[in-house]
Amino acid sequence: GQSLEQPSEVTAVEGAIVQINCTYQTSGFYGLSWYQQHDGGAPTFLSYNGLDGLEETGRFSSFLSRSDSYGYLLLQELQMKDSASYFCAVRDERGNYQLIWGAGTKLIIKP
Amino acid sequence: NAGVMQNPRHLVRRRGQEARLRCSPMKGHSHVYWYRQLPEEGLKFMVYLQKENIIDESGMPKERFSAEFPKEGPSILRIQQVVRGDSAAYFCASSPQGLVMNTGELFFGEGSRLTVL
Repeated sequence: GQSLEQPSEVTAVEGAIVQINCTYQTSGFYGLSWYQQHDGGAPTFLSYNGLDGLEETGRFSSFLSRSDSYGYLLLQELQMKDSASYFCAVRDERGNYQLIWGAGTKLIIKP
Repeated sequence: NAGVMQNPRHLVRRRGQEARLRCSPMKGHSHVYWYRQLPEEGLKFMVYLQKENIIDESGMPKERFSAEFPKEGPSILRIQQVVRGDSAAYFCASSPQGLVMNTGELFFGEGSRLTVL
């Protein structure tokens, strides 16, 4: 079957760095995306990795290793507003239109 | 430039009634996707539409659920004879092209939360 595994909850301190891991098992692979969702609101796109390596966008970075079927989202200089759920999603063999989503990681940030 | 607009934001129905959820994509977007989300879970693909065409409805139950994206007007997700298990958040997303043409970025609406009593 197709599955994405990510931790259900991560806790970190304001100003710190946190890494959210995602491992996947899918039929084919066309890229790994990360989305942020605040309190069940609209998911918003954060980053995309189509090839191995690190992509950096401001305080957020995302990494992919296709040989390990693994990726992570790295959040630096954490702010309270970063408290949200983070989802990894994979474009699989039906990559034209379907994303397979993980169950999400709830990030709790403490002052 | 308005984002993806969904309405109603909240909808309460009794078992057996019909629910209609509407989605207006971002201006210039002709691809619409509907997803369903249960609490503490990720999004589950339901259906992918382009104007006047259903491209893939493999994630949508074959009975009671239907979707359309007419030439004029919003996309509609219709659930007939609702049951308690239909209670969920239904998100609509749009993109200017199919996902294969871009980074997989979808633009989501705020969702419609359906509660079936």
